Amino acid sequence: GENVEQHPSTLSVQEGDSAVIKCTYSDSASNYFPWYKQELGKRPQLIIDIRSNVGEKKDQRIAVTLNKTAKHFSLHITETQPEDSAVYFCAAGGTYKYIFGTGTRLKVLA
Amino acid sequence: NAGVTQTPKFQVLKTGQSMTLQCAQDMNHEYMSWYRQDPGMGLRLIHYSVGAGITDQGEVPNGYNVSRSTTEDFPLRLLSAAPSQTSVYFCASSFLTSGGRETQYFGPGTRLLVL
Repeated sequence: GENVEQHPSTLSVQEGDSAVIKCTYSDSASNYFPWYKQELGKRPQLIIDIRSNVGEKKDQRIAVTLNKTAKHFSLHITETQPEDSAVYFCAAGGTYKYIFGTGTRLKVLA
Repeated sequence: NAGVTQTPKFQVLKTGQSMTLQCAQDMNHEYMSWYRQDPGMGLRLIHYSVGAGITDQGEVPNGYNVSRSTTEDFPLRLLSAAPSQTSVYFCASSFLTSGGRETQYFGPGTRLLVL
């Protein structure tokens, strides 16, 4: 079946450093790639997304890149802050049907 | 605007019991979905609906039923609970913006324990 692989499963960075999370997907029909942030005990929240016709998108300290040929996409967080500590999920799909990655637990050390 | 609401917040069931997890949204979104979240496995789609009267299966539909009689409500039924259905269940509703963003709003979740 279709799947999305996400790496790493855990990531620790010093405050102010950058963090990169990578995902690969198998379904070549996927055309929408959202990223969600989930704090402990809370619901997932959309933080950024990208469509297949765009290679890169940036929103303040967060950026996402997409390589459709290689079927991989990445989340980049710059100037990390303690409040960025959470679990991050990538997803791939389209028209409201997605496969989620298994999540990356990001710890930002003060 | 309450957004997406789910009840109950927490439930304990015995193996073989049935129950319904409630989900409601007041944003007039056409699309709604149910996910389960297990440690180390991310979110997996159970069932989804693209509008009242229309439902379809996701990745892990076995053991669950859904119906969508109104735009607002999308209940999830466990027919005969099994320990493997112990999980956190999230309901979500979505809409498509003019810019192509498929924003999913998640409910607060229901934590289910099956003994």
